[in-house]
Amino acid sequence: DAGVIQSPRHEVTEMGQEVTLRCKPISGHDYLFWYRQTMMRGLELLIYFNNNVPIDDSGMPEDRFSAKMPNASFSTLKIQPSEPRDSAVYFCASSLGRGHQPQHFGDGTRLSIL
Amino acid sequence: RKEVEQDPGPFNVPEGATVAFNCTYSNSASQSFFWYRQDCRKEPKLLMSVYSSGNEDGRFTAQLNRASQYISLLIRDSKLSDSATYLCVVRSSASKIIFGSGTRLSIRP
Repeated sequence: DAGVIQSPRHEVTEMGQEVTLRCKPISGHDYLFWYRQTMMRGLELLIYFNNNVPIDDSGMPEDRFSAKMPNASFSTLKIQPSEPRDSAVYFCASSLGRGHQPQHFGDGTRLSIL
Repeated sequence: RKEVEQDPGPFNVPEGATVAFNCTYSNSASQSFFWYRQDCRKEPKLLMSVYSSGNEDGRFTAQLNRASQYISLLIRDSKLSDSATYLCVVRSSASKIIFGSGTRLSIRP
């Protein structure tokens, strides 16, 4: 079974550039989550979707961050303009909402903003 | 107070030892509980769910204590490959999922 697929695996770019991270959830999962992980802050929930609809974006750090889920099999997280403090590993996870189902994570995107 | 709290460690134990760590949660309405394992520079991976009656998977045993609002993970006969960060996860609804900050475990030869 295909797991959660994220791309790119690594991204290095200069500050001020637009960054787009991509995620394909596990087929049939109705929840999708975007996380950011740093040594200082640990794993932080940025935003999550249910049935492609953004439900809670209170974790999004500021207006430079935006996320979309145009269909059940694709989501993007965009940072524009990027700043060095955005450097982190960004994980996408998906799960089934019903029952006591755990989240499944993608491999993550390691983002470095120079 | 954090909703989910873990001792960050590190726990440094010899190979073959038994090690246990706890995770406390503040929301008494929490419904489901999990332990994840995260290796350095990798994604969190589900280790095991935690059931009310406690459950075991090989060398790993998970317990839930609803009265005291904590879950525990016990690792017996620890292996070098058990070295990782262990994340406690508490789910109070389909969407409200809280990760602990993790406990670092290092197994030495």
